[in-house]
Amino acid sequence: ETGVTQSPTHLIKTRGQQVTLRCSSQSGHNTVSWYQQALGQGPQFIFQYYREEENGRGNFPPRFSGLQFPNYSSELNVNALELDDSALYLCASSLWSNGELFFGEGSRLTVL
Amino acid sequence: AQSVTQPDIHITVSEGASLELRCNYSYGATPYLFWYVQSPGQGLQLLLKYFSGDTLVQGIKGFEAEFKRSQSSFNLRKPSVHWSDAAEYFCAVGGALTEKLTFGTGTRLTIIP
Repeated sequence: ETGVTQSPTHLIKTRGQQVTLRCSSQSGHNTVSWYQQALGQGPQFIFQYYREEENGRGNFPPRFSGLQFPNYSSELNVNALELDDSALYLCASSLWSNGELFFGEGSRLTVL
Repeated sequence: AQSVTQPDIHITVSEGASLELRCNYSYGATPYLFWYVQSPGQGLQLLLKYFSGDTLVQGIKGFEAEFKRSQSSFNLRKPSVHWSDAAEYFCAVGGALTEKLTFGTGTRLTIIP
């Protein structure tokens, strides 16, 4: 059984740039959730995707967007990067009927 | 709005000693409660969860937690800690199996020999 994998693991961007983070779900899972974890904080919910549609969104601006593909993998896109976007971005997959989240190791984004 | 409070930012425990990490939540209905552990540079691993039924739940690595509705608490316990338990621990609450989770700010656990 393959777990949740995220790429890239680390990246550095400058303010105003755009970034795409990728996530492959655990085998058999059909739901993907994205969380932002700032340094010293708990993860904060960004949004969730089920059946390729957004199903719930946290308090994040529209420049945070996502996609889910037919194979249940997912992307998180952030436009017009700001310094405060520097964080660990965690992807979690689950079964819609189960809800138990399995997290990847995250993508650490640094915005300079 | 749902929220989670973990009052202890950092706890230091001797190896072999018992451990209790505190978690208080705010939620308007029956909550789904979780404890996750995060080692440095890693993602989150689920230790245990409470959905319904027995209020004392057992998890992996010898951890247990007790749901107390009257106190809005879900404290994590372990009778004897090991050096490998050093990590960051997060309590989380959700309203249903498919809803978002709200996490606390975490408790960092340090183990001394």
